[in-house]
Amino acid sequence: AAGVIQSPRHLIKEKRETATLKCYPIPRHDTVYWYQQGPGQDPQFLISFYEKMQSDKGSIPDRFSAQQFSDYHSELNMSSLELGDSALYFCASSPSAADTQYFGPGTRLTVL
Amino acid sequence: GENVEQHPSTLSVQEGDSAVIKCTYSDSASNYFPWYKQELGKRPQLIIDIRSNVGEKKDQRIAVTLNKTAKHFSLHITETQPEDSAVYFCAASYNTDKLIFGTGTRLQVFP
Repeated sequence: AAGVIQSPRHLIKEKRETATLKCYPIPRHDTVYWYQQGPGQDPQFLISFYEKMQSDKGSIPDRFSAQQFSDYHSELNMSSLELGDSALYFCASSPSAADTQYFGPGTRLTVL
Repeated sequence: GENVEQHPSTLSVQEGDSAVIKCTYSDSASNYFPWYKQELGKRPQLIIDIRSNVGEKKDQRIAVTLNKTAKHFSLHITETQPEDSAVYFCAASYNTDKLIFGTGTRLQVFP
């Protein structure tokens, strides 16, 4: 069965650079969630989209923005990167805003 | 907002023993409670979930119980095996929307 696809899988950036993370949900899933997981931490909700509209927002810094496109894929844009942004970033998708979330393999972002 | 507490933070058991992990949530509106297993550097994988209209759910060696009055839910793993070793996260949400995770339990199963 098709799963959530995230790219890139690994990303190394310098401080103050920008990064773009991509998420391709499972086919026919219209809801996408982004989570950030620091080392030894639990995943923290960042932002979600339902039918290409932002549906909820969590502890996402103003330096980050995200959107969901017409094909339902989503991109997380991160600017002015800080050392503390180093983390695993997971995208999850669900068939609707009221169904089980399935996680992608994650993008490991390292900020040097 | 919702807050989820999880205990214990680490749990070591002998192969074949049972393991129990407990979580408490704060928002009485929460009605969906999944459990995820995460191996180092990998994605969280859903192992079982329960909705607030059910008190208990079982899937082979794994069971989850929910006490809505006390606002706590527990994961029970019986006949543990070394491959059960991982970090387990509980989570709570309203209508399976954004997940609020517990702080995780590192389970080690010794042969």
